Amino acid sequence: RKEVEQDPGPFNVPEGATVAFNCTYSNSASQSFFWYRQDCRKEPKLLMSVYSSGNEDGRFTAQLNRASQYISLLIRDSKLSDSATYLCVVNTNAGKSTFGDGTTLTVKP
Amino acid sequence: DTAVSQTPKYLVTQMGNDKSIKCEQNLGHDTMYWYKQDSKKFLKIMFSYNNKELIINETVPNRFSPKSPDKAHLNLHINSLELGDSAVYFCASGDFTDTQYFGPGTRLTVL
Repeated sequence: RKEVEQDPGPFNVPEGATVAFNCTYSNSASQSFFWYRQDCRKEPKLLMSVYSSGNEDGRFTAQLNRASQYISLLIRDSKLSDSATYLCVVNTNAGKSTFGDGTTLTVKP
Repeated sequence: DTAVSQTPKYLVTQMGNDKSIKCEQNLGHDTMYWYKQDSKKFLKIMFSYNNKELIINETVPNRFSPKSPDKAHLNLHINSLELGDSAVYFCASGDFTDTQYFGPGTRLTVL
């Protein structure tokens, strides 16, 4: 079993749609959680950190469920510019950072 | 003001050669990383350094040798390059919240 698993995708949605990605992790000692976004042929960039209390940044909402060991990302009112690969990242307290394999989102007009 | 920079951006070389990739960050972070992203786009951590000390070495062949002359620099030297080393290599630096900031990547092609 992979340490971090994401929905394989691809997700193809129309503009304005709501889309949700899930990510599960296997190491219960994991301490910090993030969603990154990677555009084609570019470096990954932080989208948002994920906290147990959940956090929201505009159209984006991230949630963490420690008991079930999964994190989620919800994108509301999708824009064409949201098209990218979304990477789930889980860090242990030993400083190890594990990236999921990514979920590709394409938002169509 | 580039936060994390890498050179070169592209590297094309023959099998068996030795090459280096340089990385510098001006964010004042203590932690730096090297990642490999293969043709399937999977991003895998290779090394992690904290204050010039190796923290993580993820079963990378010993042909790969990172070197950190100071905490702002983490270079990657690769000996005896193989076809399977072709990938994009990303350097990153991390702050105290574990947030990572990536360089633009070095696209290595081994012929």
